[in-house]
Amino acid sequence: AQTVTQSQPEMSVQEAETVTLSCTYDTSESNYYLFWYKQPPSRQMILVIRQEAYKQQNATENRFSVNFQKAAKSFSLKISDSQLGDTAMYFCAFMNNNDMRFGAGTRLTVKP
Amino acid sequence: DVKVTQSSRYLVKRTGEKVFLECVQDMDHENMFWYRQDPGLGLRLIYFSYDVKMKEKGDIPEGYSVSREKKERFSLILESASTNQTSMYLCASSLISRVTSTGARDTQYFGPGTRLTVL
Repeated sequence: AQTVTQSQPEMSVQEAETVTLSCTYDTSESNYYLFWYKQPPSRQMILVIRQEAYKQQNATENRFSVNFQKAAKSFSLKISDSQLGDTAMYFCAFMNNNDMRFGAGTRLTVKP
Repeated sequence: DVKVTQSSRYLVKRTGEKVFLECVQDMDHENMFWYRQDPGLGLRLIYFSYDVKMKEKGDIPEGYSVSREKKERFSLILESASTNQTSMYLCASSLISRVTSTGARDTQYFGPGTRLTVL
């Protein structure tokens, strides 16, 4: 069975600085998707970024980028120029066919 | 934009009551999902449906049932609510991807969640 591990329950960063959230996963599959979702306080969960495992190039979305290390089964999220609105729970997720697995989440606080 | 709505943001019920949580999506998505979210456990899949009247058990289906009579609507039912079902419930939907070589399903879009308290 696939598992997803986020080893950092809580993190904080100063506004305008860079922070990296860690995620590792375990699977025997070779083709799958990886996601980072953001859940702001009392608000809807939204997709931040996604990565197809068969693509070697790391995905980027504006200030958000990933470091995908397939051999190491690692999928970290880097947030550059952190903003107050980035304060949220961040969930790493793995998907293969109908099997979607989420990590326990990392609570990120951006401090002014 | 995809819109997934849930019937209630907050709900308080008593032990033994039958509880209905409704989810509606407006993008003609084929897949719909129900998760519960608990601190330190992330999201755990309760049930999912890949077509009308079709359903599959997730990781924690005990104590729950689902209904999908129409494509846009997916209901979660707690037959007899218990205090250990106090949680945040999230609905999601996704479009089957037919173009990827992996055959994997596409991105899931989430509703705002229903925070259920069972007293």
